[in-house]
Amino acid sequence: DADVTQTPRNRITKTGKRIMLECSQTKGHDRMYWYRQDPGLGLQLIYYSFDVKDINKGEISDGYSVSRQAQAKFSLSLESAIPNQTALYFCATSDRRTSGGGADTQYFGPGTRLTVL
Amino acid sequence: RKEVEQDPGPFNVPEGATVAFNCTYSNSASQSFFWYRQDCRKEPKLLMSVYSSGNEDGRFTAQLNRASQYISLLIRDSKLSDSATYLCVVNFGRKSSGDKLTFGTGTRLAVRP
Repeated sequence: DADVTQTPRNRITKTGKRIMLECSQTKGHDRMYWYRQDPGLGLQLIYYSFDVKDINKGEISDGYSVSRQAQAKFSLSLESAIPNQTALYFCATSDRRTSGGGADTQYFGPGTRLTVL
Repeated sequence: RKEVEQDPGPFNVPEGATVAFNCTYSNSASQSFFWYRQDCRKEPKLLMSVYSSGNEDGRFTAQLNRASQYISLLIRDSKLSDSATYLCVVNFGRKSSGDKLTFGTGTRLAVRP
């Protein structure tokens, strides 16, 4: 079984709809991240969470919100989807205990392909 | 200027060739450096970390030049299975504020028979 799972894997929705993307991990990691990837652009950080009570905005948080329901679950919501939120969304995890000296290996889920019409 | 810049490629090489990718980063205070590999429509996966002294893992060699703010990845004896996009990744974060990775846009490699 995959260590980091994302649901749904693909979603097509209409402008104005509320969408939730879910991420679960069995790695026991404390840190979780949401990224989006667009063609020709690098992965951009939307939100990140270092533990259940710690949520932080990334580079492009406008139009998104998150919820860290448990250490293993981190959800991303689009309150009112718009076409320029069409992208590939990745969840990732890392472990504080292996982050000494600033190194931070992140493990990614398989991605959710979201299309907003 | 982008924080992490890479040549997008594509690099088209025959099997057995040696190919090198370069990456530059803008923040001289950057903490750590990585190469990730991403197959088409798949998630990125860590290929290797990059250390100041340079490091090697089989056919892959990574180099870091802090003075020039430059990172490289060398692949020797290319295999068909090496075809992928290679992402240069830099950690600009500090321990006090947490680790955050900045990703380059990637360099695409296509190895042909």
